[in-house]
Amino acid sequence: EPEVTQTPSHQVTQMGQEVILRCVPISNHLYFYWYRQILGQKVEFLVSFYNNEISEKSEIFDDQFSVERPDGSNFTLKIRSTKLEDSAMYFCASSGTSGGPPEYFGPGTRLTVL
Amino acid sequence: ILNVEQSPQSLHVQEGDSTNFTCSFPSSNFYALHWYRWETAKSPEALFVMTLNGDEKKKGRISATLNTKEGYSYLYIKGSQPEDSATYLCAFNDYKLSFGAGTTVTVRA
Repeated sequence: EPEVTQTPSHQVTQMGQEVILRCVPISNHLYFYWYRQILGQKVEFLVSFYNNEISEKSEIFDDQFSVERPDGSNFTLKIRSTKLEDSAMYFCASSGTSGGPPEYFGPGTRLTVL
Repeated sequence: ILNVEQSPQSLHVQEGDSTNFTCSFPSSNFYALHWYRWETAKSPEALFVMTLNGDEKKKGRISATLNTKEGYSYLYIKGSQPEDSATYLCAFNDYKLSFGAGTTVTVRA
């Protein structure tokens, strides 16, 4: 069974610090996504990525956020200067289907901003 | 922000009983409706992708129906088992996913 992996499982950081969340999507997938879920709230779309560029992003994904696929296997989400309200579970997902939804989600990274 | 609602928020089912719950979504700009199953401490798992009005999909004891004209989908679990305990998320796809809050199902042995 293919799987998406994410590291770390839990990241604690101080407000204002930069964090990088890492994901390894399914190897032959082409579409990559980041979602987040603030505790007690719905899963929210952040960004989708295809062919080494952002294909779509939500209003949440402001200038503090960036994504990168640095080496053909990892897919990273960077938050430049974390705020308290960035505390959430961040899920990476991937899909091999053209324009399709995420087929496989990773287990998530819990980000706690103090 | 699209209004995707799931009800009930949670339900408890006796093992062997059947149950169903609802996802409602906007009836305009519909592309697809997705159901995911999310067990505690695991990743959401894709169950169904539904695209056509009147669609009915089945996977084992779990099935789903779709009404795009009135904007709802039902998920059915027949003969619930403890391993069916999970949160079931629906997501409305108008070329990006908007998730409902989920229905958490607890099956009691």
